[in-house]
This record gives sequence, structure tokens and C-alpha cells, in this order.
Amino acid sequence: GAVVSQHPSWVICKSGTSVKIECRSLDFQATTMFWYRQFPKQSLMLMATSNEGSKATYEQGVEKDKFLINHASLTLSTLTVTSAHPEDSSFYICSASGQGTTGGISPLHFGNGTRLTVT
Amino acid sequence: AQSVTQLGSHVSVSEGALVLLRCNYSSSVPPYLFWYVQYPNQGLQLLLKYTSAATLVKGINGFEAEFKKSETSFHLTKPSAHMSDAAEYFCAVNSGGYQKVTFGTGTKLQVIP
Repeated sequence: GAVVSQHPSWVICKSGTSVKIECRSLDFQATTMFWYRQFPKQSLMLMATSNEGSKATYEQGVEKDKFLINHASLTLSTLTVTSAHPEDSSFYICSASGQGTTGGISPLHFGNGTRLTVT
Repeated sequence: AQSVTQLGSHVSVSEGALVLLRCNYSSSVPPYLFWYVQYPNQGLQLLLKYTSAATLVKGINGFEAEFKKSETSFHLTKPSAHMSDAAEYFCAVNSGGYQKVTFGTGTKLQVIP
């Protein structure tokens, strides 16, 4: 089945620094990738949707200048948390859909998430 | 607009007992519905999906769910709980071709030996 690899699985950074998270589709071309944020004991909140080669579409309330998303190829999307602060600490999960995935009506394939801790 | 409500943030069952996790949806058009499972510090894995074919959907690990339009429900069941079923379960809905999925708040399943 389709595999989505997310890296790193966890990262600790100092306040004010930037952190990049990668999401790769390993065996299919991901025309669309989604980035979610999950707070402890809460559901997934969609942050943004990115289509290969175009600008990401951000959900209401998500700062596009703080959470930079790049989807330069059909197999890679990146999320960069700029000038991170402790309140950005969270679990970030990507998902991907596209050519080769079954039932392309939803983001069926998820990465394993990245635990970000900002100190 | 679309939304999902999961009743019960925590459910405990004994090993071997029936598992029932409740999900009600709201959608202005015929929806696609999904159940996902999440283990600690991991992403989500698709258990099953309803896409307007059979109303009783069978998924992985012995789970199944029944789409009931009249009740706007899509409850997840498993006849006999196993210790490995302990995880968090999310119901999700997609009402449009934009592939944007809305998740419920999740139900944490505890299996008691």
C-alpha cells in the first residue's frame, strides 16, 4: 500500500529558531498533501492543503508566514515552523493523496507524525 | 458544511467484549465516512470507509461499521475486543470532492484484561 514517510519523528528546538518537517510519499505521486496539528487529547486540526507546484491553502486562523509550506515535487512537501515559540509545541501530522492511491476522495495515507517541543 | 460528533471521549471494555464506538455526522450532501485508528505518537491508519456502496462496511482487524442515513450515524463495532485494540479512534467525514476531511474529537478505547 501507499506509504508516507514523515521526518523527523520528534524534534526539540529553542524558542526563536525554525524547524523544518518533511513529508514524503514513497511509492506514489502525491498531488495533494495536507498538514494537521494535534494538541494533546484532541482531534486533528487541518492547517493547510498544498498542491504540487502551487501555493498552499491555509485554514482560517493559521498564520501562513509562521507555518511555511512548500510542495515543490510530487513526492515531497515540507512544513517549516518559523521563529518557534513554546505554544507551537504540538504533534504535526501530514497526509497525502494522489495518483496511485485508492479512492482519491480523502487523504487516506498518513505520516507517523512529528512531535515538536519548543523550549 | 460537514461535522462529526463522537459520543464518549473514553470507552472501556473487557477483553472479549463487544466494542461499540459511536459517530454521528452532519452533511449537506451524501457523505463519505471513515474510521481511523491512532496509536500513541503515531499517525492515523485507515480502518474502513463508506463511499455510498454497501451500508455495512467491513474493515481491518475485525472492525465494521454501518451507515444509517435515517440516524445520520456511522458507529464502529467489533464483536470481541483484543488488548491490541487499545488506541484512539477517529471518525471522519468528507462531503465534497475537495478531499478535505473533518475529524471527530476521537474516542480513546481501553481494553481491560
